[in-house]
Amino acid sequence: DTGVSQDPRHKITKRGQNVTFRCDPISEHNRLYWYRQTLGQGPEFLTYFQNEAQLEKSRLLSDRFSAERPKGSFSTLEIQRTEQGDSAMYLCASSLGTGFLQPQHFGDGTRLSIL
Amino acid sequence: ELKVEQNPLFLSMQEGKNYTIYCNYSTTSDRLYWYRQDPGKSLESLFVLLSNGAVKQEGRLMASLDTKARLSTLHITAAVHDLSATYFCAVDVNFGNEKLTFGTGTRLTIIP
Repeated sequence: DTGVSQDPRHKITKRGQNVTFRCDPISEHNRLYWYRQTLGQGPEFLTYFQNEAQLEKSRLLSDRFSAERPKGSFSTLEIQRTEQGDSAMYLCASSLGTGFLQPQHFGDGTRLSIL
Repeated sequence: ELKVEQNPLFLSMQEGKNYTIYCNYSTTSDRLYWYRQDPGKSLESLFVLLSNGAVKQEGRLMASLDTKARLSTLHITAAVHDLSATYFCAVDVNFGNEKLTFGTGTRLTIIP
């Protein structure tokens, strides 16, 4: 069990640029989640996938955000035309499906800083 | 909209003392999770509570769930410095381990 892996760990970019983050879940996990965490707050849900299907998206996920999980394994989260308010830690988590009652396992996150 | 509130938000306690962190939530749920987060690190799962009256213990930490009161507690016994971290509770209202709603966290500092 190598855990949930996220890349890059840190991303600094100028306002208006596009950024893409990658998440590799625990290999046998069929569910994958994206959360956003700002300083001093708990994580906020963005979206989740079961296999390759994106099943729910938060209102926080504006049109500038898009997430994919093309083969049901790794996932990418892209933010277009970044804004100052996008600065946050982006966390990925994975879990087994509903029948297993297991917690979500989190990666170390990608910290995004918008200049 | 589901609200999850934790108190206290900050807690400074001496080693060896006992204390309790409270997590209240605003809608029906029988699935509650506790996580720990160290500075600059990700979240580590501590407990999964799946029914009313559930109690789980691991070392100096014990978590309980009262679904009727919509309340969970995380009790710390004889605190040690290694327990210094931020603790989050999270509620799953979809009964399917889908969308978690997190509290704002309790930052715990254990003083020698």
